[in-house]
Amino acid sequence: DAKTTQPNSMESNEEEPVHLPCNHSTISGTDYIHWYRQLPSQGPEYVIHGLTSNVNNRMASLAIAEDRKSSTLILHRATLRDAAVYYCIIREYGNKLVFGAGTILRVKS
Amino acid sequence: DTAVSQTPKYLVTQMGNDKSIKCEQNLGHDTMYWYKQDSKKFLKIMFSYNNKELIINETVPNRFSPKSPDKAHLNLHINSLELGDSAVYFCASSWRELNTEAFFGQGTRLTVV
Repeated sequence: DAKTTQPNSMESNEEEPVHLPCNHSTISGTDYIHWYRQLPSQGPEYVIHGLTSNVNNRMASLAIAEDRKSSTLILHRATLRDAAVYYCIIREYGNKLVFGAGTILRVKS
Repeated sequence: DTAVSQTPKYLVTQMGNDKSIKCEQNLGHDTMYWYKQDSKKFLKIMFSYNNKELIINETVPNRFSPKSPDKAHLNLHINSLELGDSAVYFCASSWRELNTEAFFGQGTRLTVV
């Protein structure tokens, strides 16, 4: 079972930042927080991952709470192409990527 | 070059038939996976192989049998297909380490009629 909780859906305006929250209160010390997204009719696509510190890459930023029980994926300027289902995943020993229901992100022009 | 490729992209078949879906990755990864995405869009892991060895086998009917001839390939054989097997099947690969990303194929849409 997925060990994360995300809102079912969120909406954003184009060119504005988007903050996608995720709760993972049962995370253990060695588990990594991963984010993937799935665009319509495509396979999931890696976005970003982190352990304790905040992370940035060309796609997004990941802010991790100090207690690691929650995290936030930040898209700095949402575009129409960012409309997708965003999955927050705890990657734990045993090598599973267990997907939850994810957050449907809608971007309005 | 496509990192993770699956064939075929679409598969329509009758109940009771046996079919296979092929997956190949050219990333040199040591771990490969099969996922099923049903009509409700939930992605469920089915199998995971590490260096050709089965390491995850979720509660999947034994009509489904993965086969890994080498590290770069993980094929999925399905016997006696049922209507409920209709779904999109995704293959993925990664390194085993937790801090590495997984790459997914484009999916195979299986329709059983």
